[in-house]
Amino acid sequence: AQTVTQSQPEMSVQEAETVTLSCTYDTSENNYYLFWYKQPPSRQMILVIRQEAYKQQNATENRFSVNFQKAAKSFSLKISDSQLGDTAMYFCASNSGNTPLVFGKGTRLSVIA
Amino acid sequence: EAGVAQSPRYKIIEKRQSVAFWCNPISGHATLYWYQQILGQGPKLLIQFQNNGVVDDSQLPKDRFSAERLKGVDSTLKIQPAKLEDSAVYLCASILTRGASGELFFGEGSRLTVL
Repeated sequence: AQTVTQSQPEMSVQEAETVTLSCTYDTSENNYYLFWYKQPPSRQMILVIRQEAYKQQNATENRFSVNFQKAAKSFSLKISDSQLGDTAMYFCASNSGNTPLVFGKGTRLSVIA
Repeated sequence: EAGVAQSPRYKIIEKRQSVAFWCNPISGHATLYWYQQILGQGPKLLIQFQNNGVVDDSQLPKDRFSAERLKGVDSTLKIQPAKLEDSAVYLCASILTRGASGELFFGEGSRLTVL
């Protein structure tokens, strides 16, 4: 069974600064995928970024990038140039094969003007 | 492209009453999921459908929860009778086809409060 752990319940960052959200996971699979989803207040969850475990290169999407450390089973999300619209819950998630996504408990990020 | 539609957005009921939630996935998406998200926690899978068949319902409390997707499109999740601990947001999500790499699309959720 896969597990995902997010150890930071809440974080805050000043606008335009950089913040890193942590995530660790555990899986016995060799081929798996890792995701960060964003859930703004009262709005639907949307995909921020995804990483295939077999790829060594860290995924990037504009201001969002990941630090994927396969041996350490770590998958952190870096948000650069933070914007007020980045305020949301962020969930780390993992799956493999045809198994459904398993989510962590989330990190509440507040961007302060 | 229309997103995943869910209704109602909010529902308040007394314990032991029943409630039903509806989900219309993105057109053409074969796989549909219902997740339960309790306040302060991440979403937890309740049931997964592939077309109109159940793929995984191992975490569905079957004594009180039921779900169906009769024509392989819309889905309904029912709770009867509700308990206080069922207070949560019920998220519906869909994906084009089963597979680990695909992006899951979520609805806005149905927030249930059981008094």
